[in-house]
Amino acid sequence: SYELTQPPSVSVSPGQTARITCSGDALPKKYAYWYQQKSGQAPVLVIYEDSKRPSGIPERFSGSSSGTMATLTISGAQVEDEADYYCYSTDSSGNLGVFGGGTKLTVL
Amino acid sequence: EVQLVQSGAEVKKPGESLKISCKGSGYSFTSYWIGWVRQMPGKGLEWMGIIYPGDSDTRYSPSFQGQVTISADKSISTAYLQWSSLKASDTAMYYCARTVVTATMDWYFDLWGRGTLVTVSS
Repeated sequence: SYELTQPPSVSVSPGQTARITCSGDALPKKYAYWYQQKSGQAPVLVIYEDSKRPSGIPERFSGSSSGTMATLTISGAQVEDEADYYCYSTDSSGNLGVFGGGTKLTVL
Repeated sequence: EVQLVQSGAEVKKPGESLKISCKGSGYSFTSYWIGWVRQMPGKGLEWMGIIYPGDSDTRYSPSFQGQVTISADKSISTAYLQWSSLKASDTAMYYCARTVVTATMDWYFDLWGRGTLVTVSS
């Protein structure tokens, strides 16, 4: 079965740049998406189609993808950005959605 | 307001059946797929499957095929997730989410419900 691999945790100080990676064999052909999930809340889409930002998402959130790796970058991370972040994509057949294991971002 | 409203928390015993719901409003319910996502306690998100309310076309993750049933009633803009015989391992938060299909045939979730907590315990 298709898998997306993320680091379990990333830690930065406030104001620093946080980068969260996601690797998957189908990413050269399939878009990556990123979701933020704060404690006790439903996930929220923060990046779609590799690098697009939905309305209402702060500009400090950006995304990129190259080869088999997608990256979520939070430039000038803030304490309120502490959350679990999940990458998401579809498998090469396009019939199955897959989430990465999630990365816990700590900002302190 | 565009939103998905999920049914309330459930506490069930092993072997019991259950059907939880997700009602869409503020948009054309039959123009988008609806997906279901499981999150077990302290764990990550798992893609369960999606349904197109317009014609009830359904796709399941192999991990959930045969374990649950996804359905929809377009007349009342509501999607459902159903179990015929619950197990303790079904204890989880279940989210429904509006699903966008891109030009390259990707599916992704752009709007989420608040989740339904299902607890299965004897």
